Amino acid sequence: NAGVTQTPKFRVLKTGQSMTLLCAQDMNHEYMYWYRQDPGMGLRLIHYSVGEGTTAKGEVPDGYNVSRLKKQNFLLGLESAAPSQTSVYFCASSSISTSLGGKGQPQHFGDGTRLSIL
Amino acid sequence: GQQVMQIPQYQHVQEGEDFTTYCNSSTTLSNIQWYKQRPGGHPVFLIQLVKSGEVKKQKRLTFQFGEAKKNSSLHITATQTTDVGTYFCAPRAAGNKLTFGGGTRVLVKP
Repeated sequence: NAGVTQTPKFRVLKTGQSMTLLCAQDMNHEYMYWYRQDPGMGLRLIHYSVGEGTTAKGEVPDGYNVSRLKKQNFLLGLESAAPSQTSVYFCASSSISTSLGGKGQPQHFGDGTRLSIL
Repeated sequence: GQQVMQIPQYQHVQEGEDFTTYCNSSTTLSNIQWYKQRPGGHPVFLIQLVKSGEVKKQKRLTFQFGEAKKNSSLHITATQTTDVGTYFCAPRAAGNKLTFGGGTRVLVKP
């Protein structure tokens, strides 16, 4: 199994350009997530999806849009790239938490996309 | 989301020594997950803690959840070069969302 696959792995954009990052998972997971990680920092949640056709805002959603038309794919779009969006973007997926007692499911991460905006 | 602070931010360890990294919250957590990220890599799930006072071990790694469920710790014994990386704690929220701490970056001196 490939797990979580992100494309592209690297990209350089000019300010104002648009692009779409693709995330694909083959584990039949319901939940998918997009994070950004800036140098020396933790991961911040941009948007997430709890199922096909549904999306929700995370901690830092401004300047990004997402779509989940198919269960296995989660797309992250930058409509007008800004230098502040230079970061490493990680996609993750997880299965539904079905057990009681607050137990969650681990998230499985892709290898990341290194995005630089000039 | 629930905010957590991880200390220390950096940990320089002599190979073979032990160390502990801490994850602290001002609010009670339902559960907490720990992840490891190698340099240039992606986060990888290590463990999940759910119960008050819970202790779990993975070889040389010992994870603990505080009695009040407001803090957690990771203790590594006999540090090896393979332990290099950043360790993140991440409390879980609804929808299986996670709030990642800032991480503890571990450097091992041979």
